[in-house]
Amino acid sequence: QVQLQESGPGLVKPSETLSLTCTVSGGSVSSGSYYWSWIRQPPGKGLEWIGYIYYSGSTNYNPSLKSRVTISVDTSKNQFSLKLSSVTAADTAVYYCARERIQLWIDYWGQGTLVTVSS
Amino acid sequence: SSELTQDPAVSVALGQTVRITCQGDSLRSYYASWYQQKPGQAPVLVIYGKNNRPSGIPDRFSGSSSGNTASLTITGAQAEDEADYYCNSRDSSGNHLRVFGGGTKLTVL
Repeated sequence: QVQLQESGPGLVKPSETLSLTCTVSGGSVSSGSYYWSWIRQPPGKGLEWIGYIYYSGSTNYNPSLKSRVTISVDTSKNQFSLKLSSVTAADTAVYYCARERIQLWIDYWGQGTLVTVSS
Repeated sequence: SSELTQDPAVSVALGQTVRITCQGDSLRSYYASWYQQKPGQAPVLVIYGKNNRPSGIPDRFSGSSSGNTASLTITGAQAEDEADYYCNSRDSSGNHLRVFGGGTKLTVL
């Protein structure tokens, strides 16, 4: 059974960089069958796709966040990570990591982690 | 704004059939996937591809597509189906981006 678990600080100060890691168990980030994704959900609002990374390291980002986002993968640790720079209160959200099949559906999600941007 | 458009809220009487729709240009070329999200929980995949259900999803959930509209149908809605539903697919830019619909809050009366 595939499991994804987000980890990282729950509180980040404005203008700083949000950093989260997703640890994958029961599956491999080195598989060519999946994209490894980050998705967020502001409190009371809908889902927003942030971006994904392929095992090769190729990435694709939401244009609205592209200038501030970096997604990376560490195959040795079976993890992938999100960095979002210059955060503001608008970046406060539950952040989910997820596995997307290359045929275009997300079959596994992490439980989500709330990140609050506040001084 | 989202490139996939959903009605914000839909209601259905217990045991009746409800259709939740998702509109977008990219749906002329790509299937939508559908996710159910209950309060405080991560989304769960309910429909993918042409009309496929993951293991464990009841067969009262089905999907269809026509033109620029994808639909999720619940035949015989149950109280436990009350949730937010999101569609997801590629965007229409041709850059392999992904986009979610704004979500539909389903109320079972």
